[in-house]
Amino acid sequence: KNQVEQSPQSLIILEGKNCTLQCNYTVSPFSNLRWYKQDTGRGPVSLTIMTFSENTKSNGRYTATLDADTKQSSLHITASQLSDSASYICVVSEDFGNEKLTFGTGTRLTIIP
Amino acid sequence: KAGVTQTPRYLIKTRGQQVTLSCSPISGHRSVSWYQQTPGQGLQFLFEYFSETQRNKGNFPGRFSGRQFSNSRSEMNVSTLELGDSALYLCASSLEGSFYGYTFGSGTRLTVV
Repeated sequence: KNQVEQSPQSLIILEGKNCTLQCNYTVSPFSNLRWYKQDTGRGPVSLTIMTFSENTKSNGRYTATLDADTKQSSLHITASQLSDSASYICVVSEDFGNEKLTFGTGTRLTIIP
Repeated sequence: KAGVTQTPRYLIKTRGQQVTLSCSPISGHRSVSWYQQTPGQGLQFLFEYFSETQRNKGNFPGRFSGRQFSNSRSEMNVSTLELGDSALYLCASSLEGSFYGYTFGSGTRLTVV
């Protein structure tokens, strides 16, 4: 069964600090992996999308890495801000076109001043 | 350009009733997917429509159904509501499929009492 596991479930850090969120998956065949940010009561917003051949992608203070061999991804947030408080969801796609997505349950990140 | 629009934003229904949720995708997007999000289960895929045809379906009972119109707008219907159907229902649209990325709406918060 395809699964996406994220850790930690929740994380609290001080404003200005860095943090790293983890995502391990068993989805096969792999097409792409995305990280989404979801503010409370809102829909998820895409941060990065990586295909098999990409091992790092940045979006401002967010940097995602992908190791397709070990089926692991991480999302690193640099110099955290209060607005980074949100849930971060890892999503893995099985196939191009007629695809099926498998979602992680997310990491709830809280930034405190 | 306008994003993905979901209506209504909030809904309260009684057990046994039925409900219809609406999703207007980004102009030009032909793929519309629906998801259920609950605190315990995270995001779960309901179904995907592409050019008025259901292309993928998740593991939900037949009480959950959907359709897509010729203008790509989509509706989701849940019949014989149960307390466990209380959730945030999200719609996402994309041009063709995963490679082009999904854009999510803000969701409809359904509460069944």
